[in-house]
Amino acid sequence: GAGVSQTPSNKVTEKGKYVELRCDPISGHTALYWYRQSLGQGPEFLIYFQGTGAADDSGLPNDRFFAVRPEGSVSTLKIQRTERGDSAVYLCASSLTGGGDETQYFGPGTRLLVL
Amino acid sequence: EDQVTQSPEALRLQEGESSSLNCSYTVSGLRGLFWYRQDPGKGPEFLFTLYSAGEEKEKERLKATLTKKESFLHITAPKPEDSATYLCAVRLSGGSYIPTFGRGTSLIVHP
Repeated sequence: GAGVSQTPSNKVTEKGKYVELRCDPISGHTALYWYRQSLGQGPEFLIYFQGTGAADDSGLPNDRFFAVRPEGSVSTLKIQRTERGDSAVYLCASSLTGGGDETQYFGPGTRLLVL
Repeated sequence: EDQVTQSPEALRLQEGESSSLNCSYTVSGLRGLFWYRQDPGKGPEFLFTLYSAGEEKEKERLKATLTKKESFLHITAPKPEDSATYLCAVRLSGGSYIPTFGRGTSLIVHP
């Protein structure tokens, strides 16, 4: 596609529920990044994929958060037992190879609200 | 302590009133400094990458400059459509390609 797309654009769920957020990167981009952005803050790194594997998951806050990218394109961020503090905008970005000084291109984000 | 600090947090300008946004960083070994624009309800949109002190880049009414410890985003004769949050991010040398973002500067340009 022309850019990074994310679905759904908005998600409202109840505390304790499971949610999945999807990211479609730019076609041909092997590197994919997930960030979380709270109101008034900059994006906070969660996890970085190089192809199908998670090259850096040091930003995942705890074991309720998990992400996959089984075929090296689409990625899904999964949050178990959601908490109100998980409410934020979840951003996905992609870059061509992930190395060097590449620019990351961001999607529009998924706004998650946990009630 | 934040590694990347942006100031001011918010800025209101009249149309045509030029100003500058600041991004300062405390880390050493800068591999790249990035400026993004973010409109409400949207993801960050890439503007510039700067790599070394003294470098400058321009795009329309925006010019980004870099010194050893800070970057400025100069906005010349801004228009209301320049209203957005401007984010700065730094990437360090040494293998990590994950940028660290500042909190952004919210710019409002009044007609």
